[in-house]
Amino acid sequence: SQQGEEDPQALSIQEGENATMNCSYKTSINNLQWYRQNSGRGLVHLILIRSNEREKHSGRLRVTLDTSKKSSSLLITASRAADTASYFCATLQGGSEKLVFGKGTKLTVNP
Amino acid sequence: DAGVTQSPTHLIKTRGQQVTLRCSPKSGHDTVSWYQQALGQGPQFIFQYYEEEERQRGNFPDRFSGHQFPNYSSELNVNALLLGDSALYLCASSPRGYGQQNTEAFFGQGTRLTVV
Repeated sequence: SQQGEEDPQALSIQEGENATMNCSYKTSINNLQWYRQNSGRGLVHLILIRSNEREKHSGRLRVTLDTSKKSSSLLITASRAADTASYFCATLQGGSEKLVFGKGTKLTVNP
Repeated sequence: DAGVTQSPTHLIKTRGQQVTLRCSPKSGHDTVSWYQQALGQGPQFIFQYYEEEERQRGNFPDRFSGHQFPNYSSELNVNALLLGDSALYLCASSPRGYGQQNTEAFFGQGTRLTVV
């Protein structure tokens, strides 16, 4: 079963705009990770945020985590056509080493 | 460092057949996990291998089995293939205890299995 649910399922924006994707999960976690997948290929790790962190930045990426609401958001600023991909959040529960993924958000950035 | 490598990249099998998928982990990693990703879905955890033993298993039938070799590489075997086994199979490698260390898992490019 999948723990995370990304919202929206699909997002289409113009190059230069910001893209925001949300993720909700159900149980307590050790950390939450965001991955990108291009055209059904392998997953590329983007960023990891620990359960005791509230915000993290990496280049054009900004991730927030609200453990009280069991939710996270991924913001991509100044999007580029190359950002077109599916984005997944995945949670890691304490005591487990299996990642639990959501269904993903399909982002399309139009040039 | 070649990262995580999987073979083959694509595979077509007939219902009822058996298939073996292979994975070589990233250098320095000793733990391999396998995930199944159906079309339009997120990856689902199949199982994890460490020290040549299955350590954790997801909700998959016994038709799915695996093996890990002394060099940490791993195989995923699926017997009696069903049409519903058609999916992208992803291998992830990590150092042992990566969950507690809050480090990332590295994924391979996957094997696309089509069952006809």
